[in-house]
Amino acid sequence: IAGITQAPTSQILAAGRRMTLRCTQDMRHNAMYWYRQDLGLGLRLIHYSNTAGTTGKGEVPDGYSVSRANTDDFPLTLASAVPSQTSVYFCASSDDGRGTDGYTFGSGTRLTVV
Amino acid sequence: SQQGEEDPQALSIQEGENATMNCSYKTSINNLQWYRQNSGRGLVHLILIRSNEREKHSGRLRVTLDTSKKSSSLLITASRAADTASYFCATDARNSGYSTLTFGKGTMLLVSP
Repeated sequence: IAGITQAPTSQILAAGRRMTLRCTQDMRHNAMYWYRQDLGLGLRLIHYSNTAGTTGKGEVPDGYSVSRANTDDFPLTLASAVPSQTSVYFCASSDDGRGTDGYTFGSGTRLTVV
Repeated sequence: SQQGEEDPQALSIQEGENATMNCSYKTSINNLQWYRQNSGRGLVHLILIRSNEREKHSGRLRVTLDTSKKSSSLLITASRAADTASYFCATDARNSGYSTLTFGKGTMLLVSP
């Protein structure tokens, strides 16, 4: 089934540890995005990538990094996790990144930092 | 900060009734989109309306856009229990020819049988 695969589905992580959230899409979409969803705050953009090889910062990029080595993969890394990074993380993609179509979302990764 | 703000925060109705959710935003947009999120799942794209459009339909969904008031509404007609979900509006923030979506905080819709 075409779509976005996120892994892991959930994780409990000790503060200070490094963690990479994986995101893979099989739709050959050019643009990919990482959002975090927190109760009462909605979804906030962390980082995005318009095409392979390029990335950009969103609204809440601090403490996170991304890479886009190819079209399909867009991993999100927490270099040194802190409790405020406890959240549900969603990866998304769109065909052209120009706002002419909707986003396709993954099922999310629920991360708890203790 | 959120661009779109949904109203109401929560809505409870009976099956068969219509559900109306509103979204207000602050800056000029290229398009506005509505998404649905079932509990514990990812968001699903429902409908997109461009800034030069005033109304759009998709099945039981009707979306309106008033750019002069910077507002949009989503109407779900003849609601079903399966429509129970959170609904989000999202606006694009054009940046050097590319866009990223800014989401509101959502409306939680409960449809009771």
